[in-house]
Amino acid sequence: DIQMTQSPASLSASLGETVTIECRASEDIYSNLAWYQQKPGNSPQLLIYDANSLADGVPSRFSGSGSGTQYSLKINSLQSEDVASYFCQQYNNYPTFGAGTKLELK
Amino acid sequence: QVQLKESGPGLVQPSETLSLTCTVSGFSLTSYGVNWVRQPPGKGLEWMGTIWNDGSTDYNSALKSRLSISRDTSKSQVFLKMNSLQTEDTAIYLCARDVRGTFDYWGQGVMVTVSS
Repeated sequence: DIQMTQSPASLSASLGETVTIECRASEDIYSNLAWYQQKPGNSPQLLIYDANSLADGVPSRFSGSGSGTQYSLKINSLQSEDVASYFCQQYNNYPTFGAGTKLELK
Repeated sequence: QVQLKESGPGLVQPSETLSLTCTVSGFSLTSYGVNWVRQPPGKGLEWMGTIWNDGSTDYNSALKSRLSISRDTSKSQVFLKMNSLQTEDTAIYLCARDVRGTFDYWGQGVMVTVSS
């Protein structure tokens, strides 16, 4: 199985700040990477697919980048509604998820 | 619009079998795969398995010996059965539509507690 190592586990940031979450795969996943946002009490929502493509309806302040084994999710100009947990997921092989990053407001 | 909804018992006895149903609308099971994913309270996501649009299945190797996923296309339903449940199987169980390996629509999830 492909292991996904996500960091940091938790993050505290101020409104308007830019935050970055990282994910490292145990082998090359050829940009077959998605990011999800999960707000408390809700199901995950797809944000990014193919490492850098924005899913429908997702605000443009979210962006994804990376290749090979290293990927990142960036949130520009943090808004209060961005408080959530974020998960990466590879789909180059059987799907596996990162452990998640809990984003809170400072 | 696309919707998925899980249903099933909220409480299962240890060593017994869990049976869940995912009822979908807004798309055809013969056009899209459906995944089962679970999330222990306060923890991360674990992919359990997929039933593809052609009816074939893939399973997480850690669960394969206990897990079965099937469907009834006429009722737009996907079924999960997992036997020999233990307390560590306590989780929210979710179904999600598959698009090229990403999960674009999710159900609300059903909380399953394994306890005597």
